[in-house]
Amino acid sequence: DQQVKQNSPSLSVQEGRISILNCDYTNSMFDYFLWYKKYPAEGPTFLISISSIKDKNEDGRFTVFLNKSAKHLSLHIVPSQPGDSAVYFCAAKGSGSEKLVFGKGMKLTVNP
Amino acid sequence: SQTIHQWPATLVQPVGSPLSLECTVEGTSNPNLYWYRQAAGRGLQLLFYSVGIGQISSEVPQNLSASRPQDRQFILSSKKLLLSDSGFYLCAWEVGTFTYEQYFGPGTRLTVT
Repeated sequence: DQQVKQNSPSLSVQEGRISILNCDYTNSMFDYFLWYKKYPAEGPTFLISISSIKDKNEDGRFTVFLNKSAKHLSLHIVPSQPGDSAVYFCAAKGSGSEKLVFGKGMKLTVNP
Repeated sequence: SQTIHQWPATLVQPVGSPLSLECTVEGTSNPNLYWYRQAAGRGLQLLFYSVGIGQISSEVPQNLSASRPQDRQFILSSKKLLLSDSGFYLCAWEVGTFTYEQYFGPGTRLTVT
């Protein structure tokens, strides 16, 4: 049972345009959501997070939107840069849990 | 600042051989520690986590085990490796008070032949 789903395995965008990465979850107990970026042969790096009490969090070029009623979150990258090309993981955490539940990841390619 | 170390970076082991991967964290105390595996073309699978010395929670039944002999040391072991144990192993830490971000080490690429 996959509680965090990234249904699109890949996305390709042009440099300077917006990248929108989507994530859906099924567990209504999740109350904290995170995005990680991963380059090949490296550990994931934390990008941005959002608590369930908010619907938007922004950090520079990265914005995460949370729609609790739809159990959906998205990561917007504007403007996209070639260095953003990586695999992006969505993760969620439930109240009182020590564990993060990760999606399977989405490969973003930003073309120059 | 906090730093997380993993070694070795790359490992090739024959089927049936033992395994020991080590992870240490610097610059923090009493972190939650995690072992994940990323198999080829798949997401991050949580294997074990620990909230304190000697406290290990297992997420997936397998021939792997974990130990936490010291506050900032987390070890992943196996007595006999299987081909299916091949993958990219990641250690992560989290200071579990009011923050939920986990920070990952550089990973170990394990190939079982």
